[in-house]
Amino acid sequence: AQKITQTQPGMFVQEKEAVTLDCTYDTSDPSYGLFWYKQPSSGEMIFLIYQGSYDQQNATEGRYSLNFQKARKSANLVISASQLGDSAMYFCAMTPAFSGGYNKLIFGAGTRLAVHP
Amino acid sequence: ETGVTQTPRHLVMGMTNKKSLKCEQHLGHNAMYWYKQSAKKPLELMFVYNFKEQTENNSVPSRFSPECPNSSHLFLHLHTLQPEDSALYLCASSQGEDRHNEQFFGPGTRLTVL
Repeated sequence: AQKITQTQPGMFVQEKEAVTLDCTYDTSDPSYGLFWYKQPSSGEMIFLIYQGSYDQQNATEGRYSLNFQKARKSANLVISASQLGDSAMYFCAMTPAFSGGYNKLIFGAGTRLAVHP
Repeated sequence: ETGVTQTPRHLVMGMTNKKSLKCEQHLGHNAMYWYKQSAKKPLELMFVYNFKEQTENNSVPSRFSPECPNSSHLFLHLHTLQPEDSALYLCASSQGEDRHNEQFFGPGTRLTVL
């Protein structure tokens, strides 16, 4: 069965510094997708970045980058130059190989990030 | 309206009440989802509709009844709920079969069952 593990329930970082949020996954599928979402206190989940299992390069989106290590089954999110508005819950999620025309997302437990001034 | 909207944003109901949660997506997507987010638990997928057809029901109790009249609207009908059903209920939508297509989420309905 597929599973996402986020071992850091909470993290804090100083404003303008970089922070890495850990994510490991378990799947026997050769093809899958990995996502990171941000959930502010308002509740909605905001898509940040995507990495496909066959992508050769690590994904980047602005200040977000994904450190994808396929052999170790890890997909850590790196946030550079942290801002106060980055304070939120962050979820790692995975889409298995065959979902029949839709994306079945499996989420981790999340990491709460606090950015300090 | 843009994106995915959900109403109401907050709902308090007794265990004998009947209520409905509404979700609407303005993105032209074909798939819609209901998730439950309880405190200290990962997001749980409840139901999936693809082109109005229910394609997944993750062993959800029958006191939760989904309805998808068209690709843009999704409802979750609630009746005789339990206090442990109190949670944030999130709706999402996505387009197509490509696994890289992200799901777009609504702001959620915070449900409290007394």
